[in-house]
Amino acid sequence: GQQLNQSPQSMFIQEGEDVSMNCTSSSIFNTWLWYKQDPGEGPVLLIALYKAGELTSNGRLTAQFGITRKDSFLNISASIPSDVGIYFCAGQKAAGNKLTFGGGTRVLVKP
Amino acid sequence: AAGVIQSPRHLIKEKRETATLKCYPIPRHDTVYWYQQGPGQDPQFLISFYEKMQSDKGSIPDRFSAQQFSDYHSELNMSSLELGDSALYFCASRWRGAGGTDNEQFFGPGTRLTVL
Repeated sequence: GQQLNQSPQSMFIQEGEDVSMNCTSSSIFNTWLWYKQDPGEGPVLLIALYKAGELTSNGRLTAQFGITRKDSFLNISASIPSDVGIYFCAGQKAAGNKLTFGGGTRVLVKP
Repeated sequence: AAGVIQSPRHLIKEKRETATLKCYPIPRHDTVYWYQQGPGQDPQFLISFYEKMQSDKGSIPDRFSAQQFSDYHSELNMSSLELGDSALYFCASRWRGAGGTDNEQFFGPGTRLTVL
């Protein structure tokens, strides 16, 4: 069963707003990754985190690897329309192992 | 840059038929992973291969089998298809030779399988 709890499940954004989402787990993961998936496409890697406490940025994206190795968060600053999509966190126990995905956060544009 | 290639992109089959999905990893990548994503769900790991040997197995039905060939491409064979097998099937690849902390898996565009 799913081990990663990702929240929120969905959120509405207005252009220019900052967006935050997080993942928590009952078990330790040694790598955390964040992916974005557009409808009908494969997940695209955004950020990979390898060390507890690590804070990594990729443009307007910032992610952190929780100090307990059981959580991670992703921030998107100054959102733009193309940020719409589904964001997944994924944890990996050891190098080369399978990925365990969170349930996803669906980012939508405010009407 | 070259990406993971999957074929076909779309496949429609009848119940009880068989299907073969193909995955061509990024050049020099030696590890292949298969994931299944049902509608509105997160990807679920099925099986993985490293250097043509099965390296890990997840929630893959016995009706499914897979292999990795000498050129590192992989095929997922699905038999006695059921309606519930309708899903997106993703292949991801990784260069295990990276060792260290380089654990990134890169996903292909997926094959959408519809079972009628």
